[in-house]
Amino acid sequence: QQPVQSPQAVILREGEDAVINCSSSKALYSVHWYRQKHGEAPVFLMILLKGGEQMRHEKISASFNEKKQQSSLYLTASQLSYSGTYFCGTEIGNFNKFYFGSGTKLNVKP
Amino acid sequence: NAGVTQTPKFQVLKTGQSMTLQCAQDMNHEYMSWYRQDPGMGLRLIHYSVGAGITDQGEVPNGYNVSRSTTEDFPLRLLSAAPSQTSVYFCASREGRYQPQHFGDGTRLSIL
Repeated sequence: QQPVQSPQAVILREGEDAVINCSSSKALYSVHWYRQKHGEAPVFLMILLKGGEQMRHEKISASFNEKKQQSSLYLTASQLSYSGTYFCGTEIGNFNKFYFGSGTKLNVKP
Repeated sequence: NAGVTQTPKFQVLKTGQSMTLQCAQDMNHEYMSWYRQDPGMGLRLIHYSVGAGITDQGEVPNGYNVSRSTTEDFPLRLLSAAPSQTSVYFCASREGRYQPQHFGDGTRLSIL
């Protein structure tokens, strides 16, 4: 049921770009993206809706390909503060159940 | 605005003990959920509610009970604690479908 994320981990130098992917075997109507710092709760970044526009949060943007049932998160010119674990999430099947992907750990080094 | 409040923040239990993790939100959100997060893992849905009096099971409901008597509160009960339930538990609320999830700070639970 859970969406699948790739890669599992990414190591970047400050200023480099990264892409995190999220895919599902079931139809997607929305995709959420969250970031979790170590020892903290996940924090909402953005939501993409079926038929909606590409979203942006600071220098982080995301796209949603409904036909391929995939979403991608683009981190441009990464900053040290971008370090953390990124989760995608979505309502699959029953719209009231919300599932998270397994996460992508991003480490931005100076 | 407090948002989502979870208590306690830390708890140590012995195997077989029972306890209730508290979750309260002051945003008048209809949807509330409980997740557990094991070390280095994602969040797995335990139980969820779409309004007072309405609850349903998530991916990993065994060993847990919930109830929703008010819009504000959504407690999670561990019936007979087992070491496999050692985890960080997060409560989240959202206004409805396609709305952002708001998380509490989590309860770190250890079962010996």
